[in-house]
Amino acid sequence: EDKVVQSPLSLVVHEGDTVTLNCSYEVTNFRSLLWYKQEKKAPTFLFMLTSSGIEKKSGRLSSILDKKELFSILNITATQTGDSAVYLCAVDRSNSGYALNFGKGTSLLVTP
Amino acid sequence: GAVVSQHPSRVICKSGTSVKIECRSLDFQATTMFWYRQFPKQSLMLMATSNEGSKATYEQGVEKDKFLINHASLTLSTLTVTSAHPEDSSFYICSASSGGSGANVLTFGAGSRLTVL
Repeated sequence: EDKVVQSPLSLVVHEGDTVTLNCSYEVTNFRSLLWYKQEKKAPTFLFMLTSSGIEKKSGRLSSILDKKELFSILNITATQTGDSAVYLCAVDRSNSGYALNFGKGTSLLVTP
Repeated sequence: GAVVSQHPSRVICKSGTSVKIECRSLDFQATTMFWYRQFPKQSLMLMATSNEGSKATYEQGVEKDKFLINHASLTLSTLTVTSAHPEDSSFYICSASSGGSGANVLTFGAGSRLTVL
């Protein structure tokens, strides 16, 4: 059975801290892993990772994929209160036509 | 950028009634749309893949007679929750592909929160 497991499930940090969110997966026909940020409504796309060891970066956020160990991490440096959200990891399988398998998400709260 | 609109954003209905939720791709055509359900503090669970002009493909455990999906045009898919019950109360989100390769082309709607009394 395909699985996408995120940890921790929730996290509270102070502004300025750095956080690392984890996502491990066991899926057949892996094609890509995606990270989304969800603030109450629609998930917004952050990163798509297909190759091992290549870091994707966008401002204070970065992510990397390890296809050998089957996991990915999402790093957020110098956190701000606006980073508070649920971060979702999803896996796209090559035979799924973009029907994603999501993890349960990590709920991040950044306090002032 | 690509925009997916969902309507209504929030609906409250009585048990036993049917509710229709629309998912529209506003500035692109989508041959495939996906419907997800999200319970509080849970992840998005794929319910079905909606294919324009053909029957939807439902995930295991999702009742196709209860959750009717119609994808009659390249810009509109509808999800009808028939004979709704309180346990159907959830957040329903659709997504659509705006073309190109890679799942990063998926755009999500803002979701529809259904409350069944």
